[in-house]
Amino acid sequence: DFQMTQSPSSLSASIGDRVTITCRASQGISNDLAWYQQKPGKVPKLLIYAASTLQSGVPSRFSGTRSGTDFTLTISSLQPEDVATYYCLKYNGAPKAFGQGTKVEIK
Amino acid sequence: EVQLLESGGGLVQPGGSLRLSCAASGFAFSSSAMSWVRQAPGTGLEWVSAISRDSATTYYADSVKGRFTISRDNSKNTLYLQMNSLRVDDTALYYCAEVIGGTGYWGQGTLVTVSS
Repeated sequence: DFQMTQSPSSLSASIGDRVTITCRASQGISNDLAWYQQKPGKVPKLLIYAASTLQSGVPSRFSGTRSGTDFTLTISSLQPEDVATYYCLKYNGAPKAFGQGTKVEIK
Repeated sequence: EVQLLESGGGLVQPGGSLRLSCAASGFAFSSSAMSWVRQAPGTGLEWVSAISRDSATTYYADSVKGRFTISRDNSKNTLYLQMNSLRVDDTALYYCAEVIGGTGYWGQGTLVTVSS
């Protein structure tokens, strides 16, 4: 069965820190991966699609990369408004699959 | 303005049925594959089902296969999810969403509670 494994499940970092979140696909998925940000009580917001394309209006401190079946979301300089849970999503074909989520907090 | 407005959620007993609807406006609904995604209280996002733009192809998560049916009516710009044999662990906020085209279109969700 296909799986997306996301890590870490949570992290605590200081304002201005560089933060990285990783998703590993259990098989090749090309670039068909998106990253979402969800704040408490809010609808998920698309940050990045096609592994590295920044959604319009999303701050440039967010970036996405791919290396084989490993996908990384990087926040270059953590800001207070970035406190949220982040999810990756393999969105093409079937099954589609979210990662387990990474809760980002401020230290 | 793009809108996805879900409806049809509510309280249902285990074994019961519900039909969710998602009314779309402000974008080319008939050209968009659509999905249902759910989120149980305090947990992560779970993809549930998807349908191609012409209804020719449907996909389901293993957890709902055989119990849920996704459909759409492009003449009404509406997506549906028929949910049968509901279980307590189907309790969640159900979102309709466009997740393939990089649009980021999501509804606000409709709450389904399965409880006796």
